[in-house]
Amino acid sequence: GAGVSQSPSNKVTEKGKDVELRCDPISGHTALYWYRQSLGQGLEFLIYFQGNSAPDKSGLPSDRFSAERTGGSVSTLTIQRTQQEDSAVYLCASSLAGGYGYTFGSGTRLTVV
Amino acid sequence: DAKTTQPPSMDCAEGRAANLPCNHSTISGNEYVYWYRQIHSQGPQYIIHGLKNNETNEMASLIITEDRKSSTLILPHATLRDTAVYYCIVANYGGATNKLIFGTGTLLAVQP
Repeated sequence: GAGVSQSPSNKVTEKGKDVELRCDPISGHTALYWYRQSLGQGLEFLIYFQGNSAPDKSGLPSDRFSAERTGGSVSTLTIQRTQQEDSAVYLCASSLAGGYGYTFGSGTRLTVV
Repeated sequence: DAKTTQPPSMDCAEGRAANLPCNHSTISGNEYVYWYRQIHSQGPQYIIHGLKNNETNEMASLIITEDRKSSTLILPHATLRDTAVYYCIVANYGGATNKLIFGTGTLLAVQP
């Protein structure tokens, strides 16, 4: 597609439930990143996929968070047993290998009630 | 941790140049300076990046000091739509270490 697509755009879930957030990167982009942004805060790095290399998971806040990238394209961020502090906008970005500018999606707004 | 320091906020009159400063005194030789902006309720948008030479594109100019310890993003004719949080980031170019760590940025308010 022309841009990075994220779904759903909004998600309300009950505390303790699992959620899956999806990211479709720009075709041909080998690097994919997940960030989250809490209300009024800056962007917090979560995880980075680059081609076939092992992902950089150094930003994941707890073992309730995990992410996969299948076939070098679509990525899914999974949050298990959601907590209220997980409420945030989750942003996905992709880029060409080599450090070109990232293209961000519009994000998924997650609200845990 | 972010490796850059930016003022938390700035004002600029519409039609005037907006000059946004950034200090990155610990930048290493293989790190680039990237600028992004985030308009309210949208994902960040790439603006420009550079290593040591000044750069210009259709959106902005990037001036990097000779010692590379600071830089300035210039929006030559600011409009109301340029009101956003502007992030200055230093990062390696490419490879497994290329991830951008966002700081708190500068909120630029363009005034009519």
